[in-house]
Amino acid sequence: KQEVTQIPAALSVPEGENLVLNCSFTDSAIYNLQWFRQDPGKGLTSLLLIQSSQREQTSGRLNASLDKSSGRSTLYIAASQPGDSATYLCAVSSSNTGKLIFGQGTTLQVKP
Amino acid sequence: GAVVSQHPSWVICKSGTSVKIECRSLDFQATTMFWYRQFPKQSLMLMATSNEGSKATYEQGVEKDKFLINHASLTLSTLTVTSAHPEDSSFYICSPYRDRVGEAFFGQGTRLTVV
Repeated sequence: KQEVTQIPAALSVPEGENLVLNCSFTDSAIYNLQWFRQDPGKGLTSLLLIQSSQREQTSGRLNASLDKSSGRSTLYIAASQPGDSATYLCAVSSSNTGKLIFGQGTTLQVKP
Repeated sequence: GAVVSQHPSWVICKSGTSVKIECRSLDFQATTMFWYRQFPKQSLMLMATSNEGSKATYEQGVEKDKFLINHASLTLSTLTVTSAHPEDSSFYICSPYRDRVGEAFFGQGTRLTVV
């Protein structure tokens, strides 16, 4: 059974810092991995999608890497801003059915 | 990205009543609809999967008679929480899925509070 773990559970950093959020999964046979952002009481915003054949994806200040063999993904946020404060969720799909298994999330606070 | 509309965004209801949550994919046809639930301080957990015109498949521990899912068209699915109780209070969120696209999109979520 696939399990997804995110570390740390919470993170507080001063504005401008570069930071790394970690995601690990137990079954390396994944179809893709997706990073989401969730603001309090809101839905999910897709940040980056990495297919199983890819090693990384970049969007603006965000970079996500995937190491399938070790069951790990990292989300790198460069030059963090207070507006980046949110919960970041990692989710993996084991097939092309769209069914996702989520990690518990990392709640990020960027202080001005 | 895809546009997904879910409403209501929040609802408060009395114990024993039923609540219907609606999810629409506005700019694409969703052959599959996923419904997730999120309790406070926890992550999203899949409740059920439905395909247009078929009965929904429920995850273990989710009561199919309590959470009625209708996926009548490729752009609309509804989740009805029947005879709601305080323990059903949660954040419910839909995720319509397009075959072969791979990327998941979500509605804005519905905060249900049962008093």
